[in-house]
Amino acid sequence: QVQLVQSGAEVRKPGASVKVSCKSSGYTFSDYGITWVRQAPGQGLQWMGWITVKNGNTNYAQKVQDRVTMTTDTSTTTAYMELRNLRSDDTAVYYCARVQFNRNWLLWFDEWGQGTLVTVSS
Amino acid sequence: QSALTQPASVSGSPGQSITISCSGTSSDVGSYNLVSWYQQYPGKAPKLMIYEGNKRPSGVSNRFSGSRSGNTASLTISGLQAEDEADYFCCSYAGSSTSLFGGGTRLTVL
Repeated sequence: QVQLVQSGAEVRKPGASVKVSCKSSGYTFSDYGITWVRQAPGQGLQWMGWITVKNGNTNYAQKVQDRVTMTTDTSTTTAYMELRNLRSDDTAVYYCARVQFNRNWLLWFDEWGQGTLVTVSS
Repeated sequence: QSALTQPASVSGSPGQSITISCSGTSSDVGSYNLVSWYQQYPGKAPKLMIYEGNKRPSGVSNRFSGSRSGNTASLTISGLQAEDEADYFCCSYAGSSTSLFGGGTRLTVL
């Protein structure tokens, strides 16, 4: 069955960086994209961006585009999201999800990781 | 981009039907029939319930249905059950290879 398994919780100080991983299995990794979505405590979902696994093309939300990098390693079927220059308002649960897409249109997100809590605190 | 607009909360009694709206603009919901809906229980990951506006993934109850009119999409849950109590989020393709979520709606089953 399809599974996306994320790395464990992280604690960082303001100004530091964090890199979250998302290991995929049960499907052909390169046939899909991976998106990252975050959820601050008690808040809604915020789309951060996505990567097309086959060619590595990325597109990021304006709010984080200067601080985020999304990559994949096809040899290990793992996606990564690195967020730099962390601030307290980056404290959130970060989810990866599999993207169904057509050309560069994101269609829907049909399988999700379990989430990774990133806490930014001095 | 501003988030899509959803009511903060809706409620209904078991057996009733409820509808959750998701208002966007002509740049997102109104331009693309690519609205999806996600159900989320507290502390859990979201789950896809509706895609391409009105299609259900395998395994999702046919009590869940979606529609769109103009710049507003809707999720209807009929025959409300206690297990439907959760948060629901809409999401739309917003052009230029981006997506946009709604603020979320908490459904309470009375």
